[in-house]
Order: sequence, then structure tokens, then C-alpha cells
Amino acid sequence: DAKTTQPPSMDCAEGRAANLPCNHSTISGNEYVYWYRQIHSQGPQYIIHGLKNNETNEMASLIITEDRKSSTLILPHATLRDTAVYYCIVRGANAGKSTFGDGTTLTVKP
Amino acid sequence: NAGVTQTPKFQVLKTGQSMTLQCAQDMNHEYMSWYRQDPGMGLRLIHYSVGAGITDQGEVPNGYNVSRSTTEDFPLRLLSAAPSQTSVYFCASSYLRDREAFFGQGTRLTVV
Repeated sequence: DAKTTQPPSMDCAEGRAANLPCNHSTISGNEYVYWYRQIHSQGPQYIIHGLKNNETNEMASLIITEDRKSSTLILPHATLRDTAVYYCIVRGANAGKSTFGDGTTLTVKP
Repeated sequence: NAGVTQTPKFQVLKTGQSMTLQCAQDMNHEYMSWYRQDPGMGLRLIHYSVGAGITDQGEVPNGYNVSRSTTEDFPLRLLSAAPSQTSVYFCASSYLRDREAFFGQGTRLTVV
């Protein structure tokens, strides 16, 4: 599976959009990009995933560049409860072997 | 559905003791994995399974054994606990390769 690179930390003002970047320059054609978040020490929670096209659900939007080498997770109206560690992972055919990096700690400030 | 259930939630072991961390899922997922998370760090993959009877090593498998005799259960065994294995352990499962993984709430293990 391809490795990912994320900034260690980011801040965002409450009510504003949070844009979290992820680089995955070695991604291959059949690998998906997944985003999870971990609040405090709870188990990670799935947010969204995509292959090529941009995706949107009730939690967030995922923008994947045309060359698929990077992506951005967008939380449109961040709240204090969105403060968490956000993980971007790339997952291929072997679904069980998903490796996590250190993620981005997002702090939403009032 | 209960989702992914891990037991126990907390455990203290003495160095050299052995124990089994339990993980069960009721979603008929094929894929199950074990991760450990040390303080301030991300998750590291220990072992994973792509179906009953099939297991493989992840990034940090030393000191741990797994087996997958049923679809539902994926226990993680610590053979001889060491202080370096003090960590939070998470179990995860997923249905298909292009579907999301579900995580348990973790087992907090301290080895003294």
C-alpha cells in the first residue's frame, strides 16, 4: 500500500471550513483514499473514501487531484467536536493491510 | 448489531505473563486487523486476516500471535508480556476491500 504524508497539526476557527491535505504520490491505480478520525483515545471513525472522483457525504467532502497524488478532506463548517486526529490512508486490494501514519491533529478553536 | 467488540477494556499484566485480547464482530466481515497505538502516535498494524483460516503479519508482529478459526473472532495473544507492549490495542473489521473499516473501542494494556 502507498504511504501518505500529512501535516502534523492544523488549527481552524469554529464555523469555518477545515481543509486537511494529504500527499500520496505513490498511489497505484486500484488503491482508494480513505479518511478516518480519532477523537481522544476512542477507536478511529470512518469519514469518507474515494478512488478518482470527488466524494461528499453528510460529514465531509473529499477532493482528489486528477493525478491522484494528493487529496483534501474538507469539513465545511467545523465545530469544536471536530477536534481530533485525522488519518489519511491508502488502501489497495488487500483490505486488511491498511497502515496508518501519525495523522493530522486538527484543533477547532472558538 | 453490536459492531466490533473488544474485551477486556483494561488489563494490567506482569512481565512474562501471557494473555489473550478478544475481538468479535457480528457483521460477517471477511477482513479483521489488530493495531497498537502508543501514546501520541498513530496506529501500527500488528496482524491481519482476510478470512477464516488465513492470517498474515503487519508492521509490528513480534511478540504476538493470532488465529482466525471463525469469521466472527480474531483473538490476539501476547506470548510473554513485556513493558514495551504497554499500549492501546484496537481491533478492526471490514466487509469488502473497498468498504470502510469499523474499529472497536480499544483495550488499554499496561505491562509492569
